[in-house]
Amino acid sequence: DVKVTQSSRYLVKRTGEKVFLECVQDMDHENMFWYRQDPGLGLRLIYFSYDVKMKEKGDIPEGYSVSREKKERFSLILESASTNQTSMYLCASSTYWGRQNEKLFFGSGTQLSVL
Amino acid sequence: AQSVTQLDSHVSVSEGTPVLLRCNYSSSYSPSLFWYVQHPNKGLQLLLKYTSAATLVKGINGFEAEFKKSETSFHLTKPSAHMSDAAEYFCVVTRGYGKLTFGQGTILTVHP
Repeated sequence: DVKVTQSSRYLVKRTGEKVFLECVQDMDHENMFWYRQDPGLGLRLIYFSYDVKMKEKGDIPEGYSVSREKKERFSLILESASTNQTSMYLCASSTYWGRQNEKLFFGSGTQLSVL
Repeated sequence: AQSVTQLDSHVSVSEGTPVLLRCNYSSSYSPSLFWYVQHPNKGLQLLLKYTSAATLVKGINGFEAEFKKSETSFHLTKPSAHMSDAAEYFCVVTRGYGKLTFGQGTILTVHP
């Protein structure tokens, strides 16, 4: 089974801190994604990456950056954390697909609280 | 642009009764649609997917969904609810290459 591992389940940070959220997948997937989940809003795409050192902005990239130095690892960076970034962050991965094979594998999430 | 709207934020049913979770979609071309489930403190799990093959799609745990182009709907159903079905359900449309657009979510409560 595919495993997507997020390094922390809960994280508490202070406003202005630089925050790193780490995600590792063990299935050699090309594609990796960062979503945030907020009540009543579903999940929203922050950034994604199709390959090592490649990154693309999603729907809500402001205040975030990402790093993909190795294929299995995709990091989300909050340069200067703010309270409105308090949220559940979900990492996902997938292999390159056609319409018949679309499937994302999600990690369990990191609940980030910014105080 | 692709979008989905889940018509109910909360649905409450009794164990053993049918479940209906409603989803309407908007897409400029033939969409690929999914239902995902999230149990408390667990990751998202794919329930089923529609990718332009059969319009009635069967998923895991007895769930199924019917794609109705004329109604732009993709409602999720189950004939008989079980306590373990209590979770949050998301209707999802893909924009391709893993870029998913999620609905707002429907929280399903199952009463004994």
